[in-house]
Amino acid sequence: DTEVTQTPKHLVMGMTNKKSLKCEQHMGHRAMYWYKQKAKKPPELMFVYSYEKLSINESVPSRFSPECPNSSLLNLHLHALQPEDSALYLCASSPKGGTSGGYEQYFGPGTRLTVT
Amino acid sequence: AQSVSQHNHHVILSEAASLELGCNYSYGGTVNLFWYVQYPGQHLQLLLKYFSGDPLVKGIKGFEAEFIKSKFSFNLRKPSVQWSDTAEYFCAAVPFYGNNRLAFGKGNQVVVIP
Repeated sequence: DTEVTQTPKHLVMGMTNKKSLKCEQHMGHRAMYWYKQKAKKPPELMFVYSYEKLSINESVPSRFSPECPNSSLLNLHLHALQPEDSALYLCASSPKGGTSGGYEQYFGPGTRLTVT
Repeated sequence: AQSVSQHNHHVILSEAASLELGCNYSYGGTVNLFWYVQYPGQHLQLLLKYFSGDPLVKGIKGFEAEFIKSKFSFNLRKPSVQWSDTAEYFCAAVPFYGNNRLAFGKGNQVVVIP
């Protein structure tokens, strides 16, 4: 089963709200990712967790805060977002982390975020 | 860092026509290569991948891709498209050794007219 699940599917939030996105995989993968995708554009990498440790932060503003509580779960905490943060937020996972690169990534369906 | 380029961002063709999408990558070392597809309103799905071995790889839904090392290319093909192949197609590359940073091309928007 190559399934990555994400909740919620849709989220509308005001600029002063705090919300969280959740991602889950049960494939035993040890690397997990957050991406941001605008319409008709490729995904942009935000964060990489490798063996539950943050390994890459692509200079993402601090209003986005990732968390990896265990090897199956990945959260993205949102606070004081801007309208330009509206996008599809994708979670992905791949079998290995660290420098064991080269593996394919499996993507979840995403959370469609609208900031008002 | 590796980079991926895709040509002809918008492709419009009729059903039963053949499709070829170009992908070139730039990286000094060994890379693994992928094609992902995103159907309207759906999530990214892996179409096919190349790690090593036979440079002609077959994926799902009748797609295939050919790795040509000398040209740094990994072009996607389908002999006869269907209306349901209307989608965005992304080529991607990741270093064989190193981090898991997947580099995407800008994508090809393919529209198949019935």
